[in-house]
Amino acid sequence: QLQLQESGPGLVKPSETLSLTCTVSGGSISSSSYYWGWIRQPPGKGLEWIGSIYYSGSTYYNPSLKSRVTISVDTSKNQFSLKLSSVTAADTAVYYCARHSVDVDTATYYFDYWGQGTLVTVSS
Amino acid sequence: QSVLTQPPSASGTPGQRVTISCSGSSSNIGSNYVYWYQQLPGTAPKLLIYRNNQRPSGVPDRFSGSKSGTSASLAISGLRSEDEADYYCAAWDDSLSEVFGGGTKLTVL
Repeated sequence: QLQLQESGPGLVKPSETLSLTCTVSGGSISSSSYYWGWIRQPPGKGLEWIGSIYYSGSTYYNPSLKSRVTISVDTSKNQFSLKLSSVTAADTAVYYCARHSVDVDTATYYFDYWGQGTLVTVSS
Repeated sequence: QSVLTQPPSASGTPGQRVTISCSGSSSNIGSNYVYWYQQLPGTAPKLLIYRNNQRPSGVPDRFSGSKSGTSASLAISGLRSEDEADYYCAAWDDSLSEVFGGGTKLTVL
């Protein structure tokens, strides 16, 4: 059974860079037809897609966050990572990593496996 | 402000049928599949409906999805207390982005 686990600091200071890693177990991050994504959810609010990466390094980013986001992959460790720069209180959220599967018939995407999420608070 | 529009809340009594709507545009719902996610309190979202109306293994047939034009809906029949959760619609947008609805909080009265 595929499992994803987020890890990283739970507290980040304003203007600094948020860094999280997602470790994938029970399957290979290098499998075809799968991207790997990050989604966040501010307290009491809805879901926001941050971006996704393929094992080759190809990425898609949310246009509203693109200037501050970098997603990378380490296939040797079966991990992918998120960096969000210049954070403010508005970036306080539960951050989820998830498998972003490709529907091959239409080249569209959906999230079928999710990590449990990790709360990141931006505060001095 | 979410790209896809959902009502913020919905409610029903046990046994009733409830529907949740999701409105988008020609670049997302109008041209791509719609997916629905269920988020129980304090947990990660879970895929509930894929390809507009397909249920993953283990999802009861009380849950059904439909799509027409640039709108979609999720129906829950035979409502149960354990269905109380937040529900999100989502779709891939032709601008190469994943877009979500703002979520609908379902209360079982």
